[in-house]
Formats: sequence, C-alpha cells, structure tokens
Amino acid sequence: RKEVEQDPGPFNVPEGATVAFNCTYSNSASQSFFWYRQDCRKEPKLLMSVYSSGNEDGRFTAQLNRASQYISLLIRDSKLSDSATYLCAVKNSGGGADGLTFGKGTHLIIQP
Amino acid sequence: NAGVTQTPKFQVLKTGQSMTLQCAQDMNHNSMYWYRQDPGMGLRLIYYSASEGTTDKGEVPNGYNVSRLNKREFSLRLESAAPSQTSVYFCASSEVGTGHLEKLFFGSGTQLSVL
Repeated sequence: RKEVEQDPGPFNVPEGATVAFNCTYSNSASQSFFWYRQDCRKEPKLLMSVYSSGNEDGRFTAQLNRASQYISLLIRDSKLSDSATYLCAVKNSGGGADGLTFGKGTHLIIQP
Repeated sequence: NAGVTQTPKFQVLKTGQSMTLQCAQDMNHNSMYWYRQDPGMGLRLIYYSASEGTTDKGEVPNGYNVSRLNKREFSLRLESAAPSQTSVYFCASSEVGTGHLEKLFFGSGTQLSVL
C-alpha cells in the first residue's frame, strides 16, 4: 500500500457546486497533514494545514479522520479559479526535518 | 520578498553531461529540500538538509549529490545525467522540522530534459 493515496480524477464539477475529495495515508504515526494546490506547470503552494478538530478557511474545509487514516478537502461554491491539482501531504516522522510525503494529486476542473 | 529562487528554469542536457541546480531562500529557514515531480509519480524527495552543514538522502537519491553551502543555499548536482532524470525539479524550504510548522515553500521549478 502506498504511503499517501489520492484519486487522480479528474473531477469535473459545475461552477457553484460543492466538491470533496479524500486522501488516505498508511502510517498511523503521521503527525501533520496539509493540502497544497498546484496549477499547471507551477510550483505547489500551501492551501491549508489540516488540524485534528477540522478547520475552515473561507470556502475550504479540511477534516482529519485518524481512525480511518484519511484527510478530506471540501470546496463550497466552487469557482473557475479553483481548477487545479490538489495535493495532500503528510509529515511522518517525529522530530525529523525530512520533509513531507505527497500524494500524486487530484485534478479538479470547474466548468462554467 | 523573493521566497525560494531556483535557477535555471529550463535546461536540456545530453546523456553523461553534468550540471548543478541552484536554490536560495531568503526566509531564514533551517530546512531545505529537493523534490522531483514526474507524471504519474507525484513529488518525490531526493535529498534534504535539516540545517546548515547537514544533508540526508530522501526517497530517490541515486544519481544526485547535494551541497548545503550556507543557510540560504542548497544546490543539487547531477554528475552524469541520464534520460531517467528528465523531470521537473523543485527546491523547497521550511521553518522547522516538526509539526505544523513544517510548511514547505517551493521554488518555481526547473524543467530538465536529458536526451
């Protein structure tokens, strides 16, 4: 089983709709979780951290389910500008600065 | 504030040639990273440096070397390029190595083709 798995999509969603996608991780000792956004031919940019109690940033809501080992991202009232690839990222080891493990990304297309 | 700066943005090499990818960050971050991104493979860690003077292998270190020149700069060297190293390379930095503070900030990437 791969460490971090995402449905690659694409998810084709009409503008204004709500869309959600999940990311599963295999290491139960994983500490920290993030969602990154990557536009075509650009670098990944941090969208939001994912906290244990769940957190919201405008139209975006992130949730963590430790029992089932997945994180989710929900986008409400989707905009054309939300079209991008969304990468989940997991910090595995405790105390080490060995970076994040990324999923392969979920491709989202918002259609007018 | 430039953040993380990578050079060059594009490079074409012939098999066997060598080159160094440069990366610098101006955020006073301790940790720096080199990732490669390939279609269908996602981002994979090549090498990282937790602090000035230290470097460690990541998931896919073979064929690469790194140098943490100082706190700002972290370079990636391909000694003898191979077609399998055709990829997009991203440098990143982060504040500290633990918890939610380990948010990565990426450079704009280097698209490398090895013929």
